[in-house]
Amino acid sequence: KNEVEQSPQNLTAQEGEFITINCSYSVGISALHWLQQHPGGGIVSLFMLSSGKKKHGRLIATINIQEKHSSLHITASHPRDSAVYICAGIPNTGNQFYFGTGTSLTVIP
Amino acid sequence: NAGVTQTPKFQVLKTGQSMTLQCAQDMNHNSMYWYRQDPGMGLRLIYYSASEGTTDKGEVPNGYNVSRLNKREFSLRLESAAPSQTSVYFCASQTSGMYNEQFFGPGTRLTVL
Repeated sequence: KNEVEQSPQNLTAQEGEFITINCSYSVGISALHWLQQHPGGGIVSLFMLSSGKKKHGRLIATINIQEKHSSLHITASHPRDSAVYICAGIPNTGNQFYFGTGTSLTVIP
Repeated sequence: NAGVTQTPKFQVLKTGQSMTLQCAQDMNHNSMYWYRQDPGMGLRLIYYSASEGTTDKGEVPNGYNVSRLNKREFSLRLESAAPSQTSVYFCASQTSGMYNEQFFGPGTRLTVL
């Protein structure tokens, strides 16, 4: 069973395109974590949000708690954005995050 | 601050060998985690420690043991490695508060032949 589902699994885009990655969840969460993992690299936190929208540079994350859905948008995509993007639900109680399987993004110059 | 550090970065073992993966954090976090990451399966929790002196099983604990040596260090031990344990292992520590954020180490790429 997957408490957190991401779509698409794989995404290829041309440089400059607007990109959207979706995350839906079926469990109660208090907040959602977006993470980025470059090929062969570690995992870094991009956003943590519990409501509304957050923006950092060209990245925008939104969440709708009632609809149990979050999106990560990348504006003016660049090859250096190529990475795996992972969403993780932070549970209302307990210590175990619910991780999606990730979206692999490739941005072509 | 180094954040979360892991050693080693790479390791090759033969079936049946044992090894310990080390993890340390300097952010004074209470909670620490060990995950494995396999292609197409995302991050799966092996064990976690909510505080010094406590450990709990996660989703895939079989074949592993852990030790929370002190608040900073959380080690993962493979007593008798199997090829199915070939994976990338990540340690993480977590903030405390209303919305918890996890910080990850650089990972250990383990191959069991």
